[in-house]
Amino acid sequence: EIVMTQSPATLSVSPGERATLSCRASQSVSSNLAWYQQKPGQAPRLLIYGASTRATGIPARFSGSGSGTEFTLTISSLQSEDFAVYCCQQYDSWPLTFGGGTKVEIK
Amino acid sequence: EVHLLDSGGGLVQPGGSLRLSCAASGFTFSSYAMTWVRQAPGKGLEWVSAIRTSGDQTYYADSVRGRFTISRDNSKSTLYMQMNSLRAEDTAVYYCAKASSGYYSDYWGQGTLVTVSS
Repeated sequence: EIVMTQSPATLSVSPGERATLSCRASQSVSSNLAWYQQKPGQAPRLLIYGASTRATGIPARFSGSGSGTEFTLTISSLQSEDFAVYCCQQYDSWPLTFGGGTKVEIK
Repeated sequence: EVHLLDSGGGLVQPGGSLRLSCAASGFTFSSYAMTWVRQAPGKGLEWVSAIRTSGDQTYYADSVRGRFTISRDNSKSTLYMQMNSLRAEDTAVYYCAKASSGYYSDYWGQGTLVTVSS
């Protein structure tokens, strides 16, 4: 099983600032990596797939990069609606696995 | 517009059974794989199971293999999860999700809560 490790667990950022979230895979997942955003009481929402492709309707301030074992989600200028939990998922091999999540909170 | 409606959750005793359903609309259900993902209270997301378009191939997390069975009825655009021998650690919100070409989930249901407790 591929273990996905996210860091940091919590990120405190001021509105308008840049946020950089990390996701590491225990073995290569190529570019088969997705990022999701989840707000309290809501289902997850797909942000990024293929490590760097924004999903439909996702603002350009969200960007993904990386391949192999190291991935990054960057939010260029945090808006109030971006404070949430972000989770990565590998879909390169079974079983599919998620990272533990990074909570982005208001500083 | 894609819509997924999860249902079937509830309170069940340890060792009991439950069947979840997910009614899909807004897309050609038979053309897409589907998945179940769960989230225990206060915890992160855990992938549970997936099924290919025709239902001929299924995949399971080790934690549920042999106890849970995923299935689909393409004529009804509905996904199912039969859950047997339920344990306290199965307590979670269960989400059905539409899988895109790479088995990432591009659309999610609202979730249904399963509570396993005596």
